[in-house]
Amino acid sequence: GAVVSQHPSWVICKSGTSVKIECRSLDFQATTMFWYRQFPKQSLMLMATSNEGSKATYEQGVEKDKFLINHASLTLSTLTVTSAHPEDSSFYICSALRGQGLSGTQYFGPGTRLLVL
Amino acid sequence: GEDVEQSLFLSVREGDSSVINCTYTDSSSTYLYWYKQEPGAGLQLLTYIFSNMDMKQDQRLTVLLNKKDKHLSLRIADTQTGDSAIYFCAGLASGTYKYIFGTGTRLKVLA
Repeated sequence: GAVVSQHPSWVICKSGTSVKIECRSLDFQATTMFWYRQFPKQSLMLMATSNEGSKATYEQGVEKDKFLINHASLTLSTLTVTSAHPEDSSFYICSALRGQGLSGTQYFGPGTRLLVL
Repeated sequence: GEDVEQSLFLSVREGDSSVINCTYTDSSSTYLYWYKQEPGAGLQLLTYIFSNMDMKQDQRLTVLLNKKDKHLSLRIADTQTGDSAIYFCAGLASGTYKYIFGTGTRLKVLA
């Protein structure tokens, strides 16, 4: 199968600190990964598309300076929430695209729950 | 842009069949997907259907696609308590490989 991991699975931090979340594709290479945010009892909201070796593409309304994305290798993308505030508390889910373009399939990580105090 | 709608809740008795429905506006997606999300977890790919198919069966799961009506359904046969979860349908946004997710259907299986 296609396995995607995230670390940490949950994190509690103080307001104003930065938090880094890692997303790894364990058994396949992923040129493209995605970062989503999910609020309680809601669907997933795409935040950005992470491309290996290039800058991430952010969705409208997502602050790129607040949510820093780095995709340094074909198996690792990181999301850093900078100067976190309580409103950033959420469930963050990544996915990795296996296969090419429109024929690819996204495999999801288990999610990271962030609580900012 | 693409809009994907699902009914919010479904409750069935253990052993019965469940049918989860999804309607969408953009018919250009090459594949349509069904994902399952258990509480506090990520999304698990259940199955997908190619857009030129109208049915796909995978063990207890049957996917039906009506392209004319832009309607997708997931049938779970012999529903078990372990099937209780939120189910999302998803399609590709036109011309991209970004997914557009439905609103999610919360399935509750009663023993």
